[in-house]
Amino acid sequence: GAGVSQSPSNKVTEKGKDVELRCDPISGHTALYWYRQSLGQGLEFLIYFQGNSAPDKSGLPSDRFSAERTGGSVSTLTIQRTQQEDSAVYLCASSARGQGIEAFFGQGTRLTVV
Amino acid sequence: QKEVEQDPGPLSVPEGAIVSLNCTYSNSAFQYFMWYRQYSRKGPELLMYTYSSGNKEDGRFTAQVDKSSKYISLFIRDSQPSDSATYLCAMRSPRYFGNEKLTFGTGTRLTIIP
Repeated sequence: GAGVSQSPSNKVTEKGKDVELRCDPISGHTALYWYRQSLGQGLEFLIYFQGNSAPDKSGLPSDRFSAERTGGSVSTLTIQRTQQEDSAVYLCASSARGQGIEAFFGQGTRLTVV
Repeated sequence: QKEVEQDPGPLSVPEGAIVSLNCTYSNSAFQYFMWYRQYSRKGPELLMYTYSSGNKEDGRFTAQVDKSSKYISLFIRDSQPSDSATYLCAMRSPRYFGNEKLTFGTGTRLTIIP
């Protein structure tokens, strides 16, 4: 596609439910990042995929968070047993060279846990 | 203490003024410096990228990096109402440090008053 596509754009869920957020990177991009943006907190790194290498999961805040990337393309971020503090905008970015320098972001998924 | 500090503003200036946006950082391993612009409810858009110290100019935008002071700046000349957005600084260390994540500031909200 022309850009990074994320779905859904908005998600409201009840506390304790599981949610899945999807990211379609730009075709051919080997690197994929997930960030979380909370009000007044800037962008918080969650996880990074580069080709077939093991992902860098160092930013995942708890074991309720997991992500996978199938076929080196689409990625899914899963949050289990959602909590109110998980409410944020979840942003996905992809990069052509794995340098992270020219990283192009999607529009984000706004998650609200009620 | 956060690795990257950025004044959240808000900053309001009249149309045509020169805008100065700044970030400081503590990690001396950072070599790549970026500025992103984010409009409301949109994903961040890469504006400028600079490697190591020095200046880079692109149209009305100038990015400066002073590694000795761990201080980066973005200048916007002849500011326009369409420049009203949140500006995020981001930085990263070289790949050989084994950490490819982008570390962001919290963002400065800028309003250009017509």
